[in-house]
Amino acid sequence: GIQVEQSPPDLILQEGANSTLRCNFSDSVNNLQWFHQNPWGQLINLFYIPSGTKQNGRLSATTVATERYSLLYISSSQTTDSGVYFCALVGSGGSYIPTFGRGTSLIVHP
Amino acid sequence: EAGVAQSPRYKIIEKRQSVAFWCNPISGHATLYWYQQILGQGPKLLIQFQNNGVVDDSQLPKDRFSAERLKGVDSTLKIQPAKLEDSAVYLCASSKQGIGNTIYFGEGSWLTVV
Repeated sequence: GIQVEQSPPDLILQEGANSTLRCNFSDSVNNLQWFHQNPWGQLINLFYIPSGTKQNGRLSATTVATERYSLLYISSSQTTDSGVYFCALVGSGGSYIPTFGRGTSLIVHP
Repeated sequence: EAGVAQSPRYKIIEKRQSVAFWCNPISGHATLYWYQQILGQGPKLLIQFQNNGVVDDSQLPKDRFSAERLKGVDSTLKIQPAKLEDSAVYLCASSKQGIGNTIYFGEGSWLTVV
């Protein structure tokens, strides 16, 4: 199946800093999403982005499907951004299984 | 629009006991997923339904786990008998029909097996 690698595994920031999270994948994709898992375990959808660029407030995401990576940008980070960020994708190789990476754990200090 | 509903939120059982989790997807969503998330790891798909048919259950430990989705709406996931390593969060998610759609998750059911 498709392989998903996220980096960095852990990130610690001061409030107000910017950061870039990366998701590399091993095959072409039909579906790619970024999720934020809050400290209570809820997975919140941030972006549906199999290609192109999207922005939502302080967050933006870019997927370059031809080079098999996606980036999540967090600007002016806040303590409420803390949690784990996952990318999840469905490869175009015939499998319909949405596969998750291991996540990037983000801690934002005040 | 109501989100994905799951119950119970928390469950503690002894090993070899059984447990069942229930999920009600977003109205109109044909695809339903059950994921298992062990602490410190990403969610792992256990089973995927399209309406009331199974799309993929290759990672479901069928000797102890079972799932059904009667009438293509609600779903239940059962574990019998439970093992210590089944301690995890069980996440239900749903999406509109087809793979090119956003997946929405419920709050999860936290299982501790002692």
